[in-house]
Amino acid sequence: NAGVMQNPRHLVRRRGQEARLRCSPMKGHSHVYWYRQLPEEGLKFMVYLQKENIIDESGMPKERFSAEFPKEGPSILRIQQVVRGDSAAYFCASSPRPRGQGLAGGYTFGSGTRLTVV
Amino acid sequence: GESVGLHLPTLSVQEGDNSIINCAYSNSASDYFIWYKQESGKGPQFIIDIRSNMDKRQGQRVTVLLNKTVKHLSLQIAATQPGDSAVYFCAENRDSGAGSYQLTFGKGTKLSVIP
Repeated sequence: NAGVMQNPRHLVRRRGQEARLRCSPMKGHSHVYWYRQLPEEGLKFMVYLQKENIIDESGMPKERFSAEFPKEGPSILRIQQVVRGDSAAYFCASSPRPRGQGLAGGYTFGSGTRLTVV
Repeated sequence: GESVGLHLPTLSVQEGDNSIINCAYSNSASDYFIWYKQESGKGPQFIIDIRSNMDKRQGQRVTVLLNKTVKHLSLQIAATQPGDSAVYFCAENRDSGAGSYQLTFGKGTKLSVIP
């Protein structure tokens, strides 16, 4: 079981370029969550997706950010026209069931993608 | 602002001593709370959780205490080892109001173990 796989581990983009971050959930997990972590900060929820559906995007910035989880392939977090403030670590987590009451410890995180905007 | 936060940003402990990491929360509607450990360059790793209807739960070398009266959560690590050095986050699970539950993280406490 390879766990939650994120790639690339490190990504450097110039201001104005696009960043694409990929996340392959654990085998058997169909629920994916993206979080952002600024230096010396905790993780901030961005979006929750199931296959082909965005369930909760209440933490996503309204502009430049989008996420998808297609029927086949990994989940993608896309950031258009990146700015220096987008520099952060982006973590993906997956779970076998919807995140809700009583789900304890069923949330597995990947190792993250460190995005640096220069 | 943050609904979950940590009292101390750093904690240094002698190897073999017990560690106590504290957390305050403000949302009384959260149904359970989780402690995560994050080592440098890695993602958060689940340590232990506790439901809101409990006040104590024990795991291997770790104990979580929940005081709902003062909205306080703590993680106790017994016989701290060098491998325990990491940043520790508390997180609460609560209804996002947008059709799902979310984990809300605090800022973290960095634990350093002195050999």
